[in-house]
Amino acid sequence: DAGVIQSPRHEVTEMGQEVTLRCKPISGHDYLFWYRQTMMRGLELLIYFNNNVPIDDSGMPEDRFSAKMPNASFSTLKIQPSEPRDSAVYFCASRSRRSSNEQFFGPGTRLTVL
Amino acid sequence: DAKTTQPTSMDCAEGRAANLPCNHSTISGNEYVYWYRQIHSQGPQYIIHGLKNNETNEMASLIITEDRKSSTLILPHATLRDTAVYYCIDSNWGGNQFYFGTGTSLTVIP
Repeated sequence: DAGVIQSPRHEVTEMGQEVTLRCKPISGHDYLFWYRQTMMRGLELLIYFNNNVPIDDSGMPEDRFSAKMPNASFSTLKIQPSEPRDSAVYFCASRSRRSSNEQFFGPGTRLTVL
Repeated sequence: DAKTTQPTSMDCAEGRAANLPCNHSTISGNEYVYWYRQIHSQGPQYIIHGLKNNETNEMASLIITEDRKSSTLILPHATLRDTAVYYCIDSNWGGNQFYFGTGTSLTVIP
């Protein structure tokens, strides 16, 4: 299994631009999570999906952030418009309800907003 | 906010056991103890979890006190590749709200 796949690995953009981060979970996993990691706030859960349905988005910082999961093998996290304070590493993770509570993390996308 | 407290950093000599403590002062009866680690520039990696009993797998051992207010992750023979930030987390089985906190930065010294 290739594990959780994220793209792009690095993204540099200018303030005000739209940014879309992509995630492909492990095949067969029922849950998908989006996290953000910064030096100041550490690793924070933004939103998670169960069977493609958003369950808890209370960690999404504001309306500029949106996440979708159109099918079981793909999810996006969009920031529009982006701001410098959005600079962070964004991780996607997935897990299966049939296994232990282990979440499998992707390699992350390092976002820099200038 | 994280519900657990850990030392900020620790050192361990290569080949020796690394013992990483964690306080779970607010853990509830149905919450498990999970340990993850994050090697620099990578996503977090699951290590082990437990409820009441001590647990062991190919990566580590987990010791949970009888009152469950503290746990210790043991890496029996630390290697340089074990240098990472280690997080302990309380969460319900099947729960999805993981609060990672600041973790313990473990440095394995040659």
